[in-house]
This record gives sequence, structure tokens and C-alpha cells, in this order.
Amino acid sequence: DTEVTQTPKHLVMGMTNKKSLKCEQHMGHRAMYWYKQKAKKPPELMFVYSYEKLSINESVPSRFSPECPNSSLLNLHLHALQPEDSALYLCASSQVGDQGETQYFGPGTRLLVL
Amino acid sequence: GNSVTQMEGPVTLSEEAFLTINCTYTATGYPSLFWYVQYPGEGLQLLLKATKADDKGSNKGFEATYRKETTSFHLEKGSVQVSDSAVYFCALSDGNNRLAFGKGNQVVVIP
Repeated sequence: DTEVTQTPKHLVMGMTNKKSLKCEQHMGHRAMYWYKQKAKKPPELMFVYSYEKLSINESVPSRFSPECPNSSLLNLHLHALQPEDSALYLCASSQVGDQGETQYFGPGTRLLVL
Repeated sequence: GNSVTQMEGPVTLSEEAFLTINCTYTATGYPSLFWYVQYPGEGLQLLLKATKADDKGSNKGFEATYRKETTSFHLEKGSVQVSDSAVYFCALSDGNNRLAFGKGNQVVVIP
């Protein structure tokens, strides 16, 4: 099974709201990722967790706050977002040390900030 | 740094036609190479991969061969279907938790 699940599928929020995106995988992967994807563009890496520790933060604004509560779960907490943050947010996971580090993606959360 | 280049522009073709999408890369060392497909309104799905030179990845009738001498990983399918309409991304991994993506190609298959 190579499934990564994400909830919610769609989210509409105002600029003063606080919301969270959730990602889950049960493949035993110990690296998990958040990406942002704008229309007609490739995904852009935001954060990487390796063994539940934040290993890469691609200079993402502090209104995005990641959390990895355990090896299967990854959250992205959202606060005071801007309309330009509207995008598809993708979660991915991979096996650390796997040859090629194949990343498996979830279906994404489509976020609209009003 | 690592980079991936895909041919510019959408690809429009008729059902049962032959599909080729070009992908070339720049990387140090020995990267792994991937093709991902994104259907409308969905996330990325791994289509195929190759981890060393001369490896051929294949899946669902799609194939790509890792050519180190030409630094290429072109995607091919012999007979496309309408259901193959999607965006295709070439990507490489250098083993540091980073994927370098190409810009993607929109493929439209007309019945």
C-alpha cells in the first residue's frame, strides 16, 4: 500500500482564521514533506521532517507552522493567511535511506483564502 | 545545483498516437529519476522511476530509460488513450530529501 491521506480535501478560510491541514501515512516512512502547488506549476517544497524532527524549512512565512506528532502524522497549522496563499497543499512521504528516496504524494488539500 | 528541463508547451495528440515527452537533467553524482502524473483535481502519482544508468522504468504502458550519456529520461507511450490526459512532471532526487521538478507538460488526448 502506497497511500498518503490528507484532510480536508477542500478548505475555505478568512484571513483571520486558524485552521489545520492533516496528513497521514501507514507505510512506515520516516520522512514527511509539505509542498505548495500553484496552478500549472510544479510543487514547491515547504518543510521536511525526518524521524519526526524538522530538517528542512524553505524560508516559509511563520503563518505556516508544521508539526509532526508521531511517525505517521503530519500537520500544517495555518494562521493569518493571505489570499496569495491560496493553492493546493500536498503532503508526501518517503523511506529514509531508500535508494532514490521515492516520494509518495497524497491527494492534496485545496485551500482558498478570502 | 540540480535541475530538470522539460520541453515547452502542452502536448495535444489523437487517441492511439505515440507520445514522447522529453526530459533532460543536470546533476552531480548519481541521481534517481522519476515521472509523476497529475490528473485534474488530484495530487501527484508516481508513474515510474529509475535509480541508475540504463535502468528502464515502466508502468501502465509508459516507459522511460535513464540515459547518463545524454542526461535524459524521456517518457514514451506507444498508444495513448483519452484517460492519459493529465500533467506529467519529470523529477530527480539526489538523496537529500529534495526533488527537483521540471515545469510539467499538459497532455491532451483527443478522441
